[in-house]
Amino acid sequence: DGGITQSPKYLFRKEGQNVTLSCEQNLNHDAMYWYRQDPGQGLRLIYYSQIVNDFQKGDIAEGYSVSREKKESFPLTVTSAQKNPTAFYLCASSRRDRVDNEQFFGPGTRLTVL
Amino acid sequence: KQEVTQIPAALSVPEGENLVLNCSFTDSAIYNLQWFRQDPGKGLTSLLLIQSSQREQTSGRLNASLDKSSGRSTLYIAASQPGDSATYLCAVLTGGFKTIFGAGTRLFVKA
Repeated sequence: DGGITQSPKYLFRKEGQNVTLSCEQNLNHDAMYWYRQDPGQGLRLIYYSQIVNDFQKGDIAEGYSVSREKKESFPLTVTSAQKNPTAFYLCASSRRDRVDNEQFFGPGTRLTVL
Repeated sequence: KQEVTQIPAALSVPEGENLVLNCSFTDSAIYNLQWFRQDPGKGLTSLLLIQSSQREQTSGRLNASLDKSSGRSTLYIAASQPGDSATYLCAVLTGGFKTIFGAGTRLFVKA
């Protein structure tokens, strides 16, 4: 079955700690994305990558970092510089096509700061 | 700056009713528009994608329309069922390869 997996499903972070969220896809998609979702708000783009070894900042990249060493993987690190990291994090992937880039999402990771 | 608005924020209907969810966007220069469904605590499931050159797309009981000139899209759900209860989000792909999401409409279908 093709799809996107995210792990862990729940993550707890202490103050001053860096944590890494995993995202893996086997859809052979070039483009991958990280979004943050807060209650009552739409998804906001953190980072996106259109190709291996290349990525761009989204609208709320401060306090986050990513890497794209493999086509299948796009891990997100939430650093201690992110002041309000408690949120639901969603990873997505798509073809690198402006007209037909239907996005497919993983099940999400809920991050809570203790 | 592109903004996407969904009205209403929440909607409650009796089972069997036909309903329409609305999505509006401020900049008509979009590449496509996508409708998603999200169940509580879950990821997004793609329902329909309408390319900028298309006027509508259909899948089962769902029909989505797109009017770029007026900056509007509607999602029509026929013969609603309790299993349709979820949050529905629309999103537009803009220049710069960014997707902008609305905040969603929370739908509750009463049995």
